[in-house]
Amino acid sequence: DTGVSQDPRHKITKRGQNVTFRCDPISEHNRLYWYRQTLGQGPEFLTYFQNEAQLEKSRLLSDRFSAERPKGSFSTLEIQRTEQGDSAMYLCASSRPPGTSGRGEQYFGPGTRLTVT
Amino acid sequence: GQNIDQPTEMTATEGAIVQINCTYQTSGFNGLFWYQQHAGEAPTFLSYNVLDGLEEKGRFSSFLSRSKGYSYLLLKELQMKDSASYLCAVVNTNAGKSTFGDGTTLTVKP
Repeated sequence: DTGVSQDPRHKITKRGQNVTFRCDPISEHNRLYWYRQTLGQGPEFLTYFQNEAQLEKSRLLSDRFSAERPKGSFSTLEIQRTEQGDSAMYLCASSRPPGTSGRGEQYFGPGTRLTVT
Repeated sequence: GQNIDQPTEMTATEGAIVQINCTYQTSGFNGLFWYQQHAGEAPTFLSYNVLDGLEEKGRFSSFLSRSKGYSYLLLKELQMKDSASYLCAVVNTNAGKSTFGDGTTLTVKP
């Protein structure tokens, strides 16, 4: 169990550019979540997957955001035409369903810190 | 809608006991998690409640009252390393979607 990894750890981009982040979950976890967190706030739900299926996307998320999990393993989160308001920490988490040696607790990656200038 | 309330900040003394409260009004309830988040790091799992009552795990305990929409996290024998943000998260759906509170920043002083 190597934990959840995210790449890159930091990204600085200019407004209007596209960025893509990658998340590699714990291998036996079939659920994967994306969150956004700003200073002093809790993680804000963006979207989640069960295997390769994207089950829900936050209504707060504009069409500039898209996520994929093509083979039910790693996931990518793309932000198109970035805006300064997109500056935040983007967290990925994974979990097993409850009852399968655990309670469905989420294991978080270290996050990707995005700065849009 | 989703509404989770926690105190923004708390301060306690090393060796003491502190209780961090969380009240929630959410659509759908499939359990409540507490996570710890040190500054600049990712949240880590502390405890889980789905039935009413107290769950104890070492120096940490968590309580849930579903009828009152209320939970608390109790930290005993506080240590300096317990200085962190404590996040209350309600699981909204069977698939594990969670809504997080904004966290309580706990400062432990010598």
